[in-house]
Amino acid sequence: DTGVSQDPRHKITKRGQNVTFRCDPISEHNRLYWYRQTLGQGPEFLTYFQNEAQLEKSRLLSDRFSAERPKGSFSTLEIQRTEQGDSAMYLCASSVGTGADTQYFGPGTRLTVL
Amino acid sequence: QKEVEQNSGPLSVPEGAIASLNCTYSDRGSQSFFWYRQYSGKSPELIMSIYSNGDKEDGRFTAQLNKASQYVSLLIRDSQPSDSATYLCAVNPAQGAQKLVFGQGTRLTINP
Repeated sequence: DTGVSQDPRHKITKRGQNVTFRCDPISEHNRLYWYRQTLGQGPEFLTYFQNEAQLEKSRLLSDRFSAERPKGSFSTLEIQRTEQGDSAMYLCASSVGTGADTQYFGPGTRLTVL
Repeated sequence: QKEVEQNSGPLSVPEGAIASLNCTYSDRGSQSFFWYRQYSGKSPELIMSIYSNGDKEDGRFTAQLNKASQYVSLLIRDSQPSDSATYLCAVNPAQGAQKLVFGQGTRLTINP
């Protein structure tokens, strides 16, 4: 257990529904990242926050995706109008934000879109 | 060309032998390199980080970095069945912010 928690761990939804995932980083970590991983592939970067500021978004993050980190603590990732192609493991990671800045991953949220 | 490339395997190694995992990267300015282990259905777990050319050892694990050749490797000595997992190479590219770019992973099986 790295200290990064994610909720829910599993989500099954129907195409067209909206879903929201939550990530709680390690308490002293300033940076928070979202990645997406599909079967047989490595994680792909989606976005990252330095405190409450969203500093980078991948081109993978379409208009249907939005992420927030109010008050620089937990973060939420929302997917609107889900599509079957959104089925994946959504991973959250956090890092201190200084020095070597190693990223530690949470357990992930597995999304299945029917 | 992918930014980070790994042989997807599977790589099969007998118990007690040395497992050698390789990774190449395309961004010559990359500064930070990481190896993560991922068991099936679980999230990536950090094994090693390396920032300078040469070798870095931690227990049964040795990471090797050659920036001139843009090559990173991970050696696992005295391989155990519990080492069977997918090993992900991750690079912090110089041009990116703080994101990690991952290879597709190498599936390693240790045979008893």
